[in-house]
Amino acid sequence: QQQVKQSPQSLIVQKGGISIINCAYENTAFDYFPWYQQFPGKGPALLIAIRPDVSEKKEGRFTISFNKSAKQFSLHIMDSQPGDSATYFCAASKKNTGFQKLVFGTGTRLLVSP
Amino acid sequence: DAGVIQSPRHEVTEMGQEVTLRCKPISGHNSLFWYRQTMMRGLELLIYFNNNVPIDDSGMPEDRFSAKMPNASFSTLKIQPSEPRDSAVYFCASSFTGNEQYFGPGTRLTVT
Repeated sequence: QQQVKQSPQSLIVQKGGISIINCAYENTAFDYFPWYQQFPGKGPALLIAIRPDVSEKKEGRFTISFNKSAKQFSLHIMDSQPGDSATYFCAASKKNTGFQKLVFGTGTRLLVSP
Repeated sequence: DAGVIQSPRHEVTEMGQEVTLRCKPISGHNSLFWYRQTMMRGLELLIYFNNNVPIDDSGMPEDRFSAKMPNASFSTLKIQPSEPRDSAVYFCASSFTGNEQYFGPGTRLTVT
């Protein structure tokens, strides 16, 4: 059972453009939504995260938009750079006895062309 | 400051052999997670520990897989006997709050 659906599978964006990756979740008990960035041969690294009490969070060129009623959240990368080329994973979790178990999306492979 | 350390980085073994993957979490972190990543199934949580105690092992594929955390600074994931379908990248991650998980570089396992 896939609890977090991510799209698109792959994305090609020109340098300077906006990259948008979308995720949808099913479990309304989820209360933490991080995005991870993974480069080839490396482990995923936390990029940015949001909780459902806000609709948007911005860190530098990276923004999460959150729509609680639609159960959707998205990652926007402004002024995309070739160095942003990586695989991006959304995830979600809910509190369970004080610590949280992440459920990951299937990943989006982003290529930013020079 | 050292991140999560995993060893070995690459492992090639023959079907039927025992494989042991090792992880050293970030000092001070009290949760540890083992993940498996494949093209077909993506990133799957196998098991996680809190304060060295296994909390949820529902992701462990079958009895051939076992994980231990004898102390706060060391964990192992063992596969015995290994099979070709176990070929994947295995990640260890640790956290303090349970939210911000920090991943290691992974162990690429190939079972022939």
